[in-house]
Amino acid sequence: DTGVSQNPRHKITKRGQNVTFRCDPISEHNRLYWYRQTLGQGPEFLTYFQNEAQLEKSRLLSDRFSAERPKGSFSTLEIQRTEQGDSAMYLCASSLTGAHEQYFGPGTRLTVT
Amino acid sequence: GIQVEQSPPDLILQEGANSTLRCNFSDSVNNLQWFHQNPWGQLINLFYIPSGTKQNGRLSATTVATERYSLLYISSSQTTDSGVYFCAVGMELTGGGNKLTFGTGTQLKVEL
Repeated sequence: DTGVSQNPRHKITKRGQNVTFRCDPISEHNRLYWYRQTLGQGPEFLTYFQNEAQLEKSRLLSDRFSAERPKGSFSTLEIQRTEQGDSAMYLCASSLTGAHEQYFGPGTRLTVT
Repeated sequence: GIQVEQSPPDLILQEGANSTLRCNFSDSVNNLQWFHQNPWGQLINLFYIPSGTKQNGRLSATTVATERYSLLYISSSQTTDSGVYFCAVGMELTGGGNKLTFGTGTQLKVEL
């Protein structure tokens, strides 16, 4: 078990560009979560998947954000037309169905210039 | 939504000292986790403790769900304990998932 992995670990992009992040959950974990953490704050919930179904989205997830988990394994989070306010750490977590404990990946740190 | 408050916000300890971190939350929850965030941003699971008491080496935690608080005890602190400690509480989502709401953390620095 290698834990939750995320790629890339760091991303610097210019305002207006699109970016995509990938998360690979712990194998056999059916639930996958995305969170966003800004400087000095705790992570905030963005969205949640049960297998391939996206079951919950936060109001923080504007229409520029889209997340997918097409085969119920890895997930991608895309941000279109990035803004400076999107600069943050994007964290992915996973858990087993029937268990509440979540395990987090190392995060992708996005900087929008 | 649910409110999570952590105290103290900052803490400086001498190596070998003990400390208690507190987490108060505003509503009933079905999940409570304590994390340590290292300087590289990785959230490390310390405890899953929606109720009761657990111990793991120099760390222990107690959650009193009926009174809506949790405590994290660190004994004989070491410099490697430095970092931010987060409490996160969970509420059920559609399909049985769990949305974690985090506090703002306790920034701990352990000095020699």
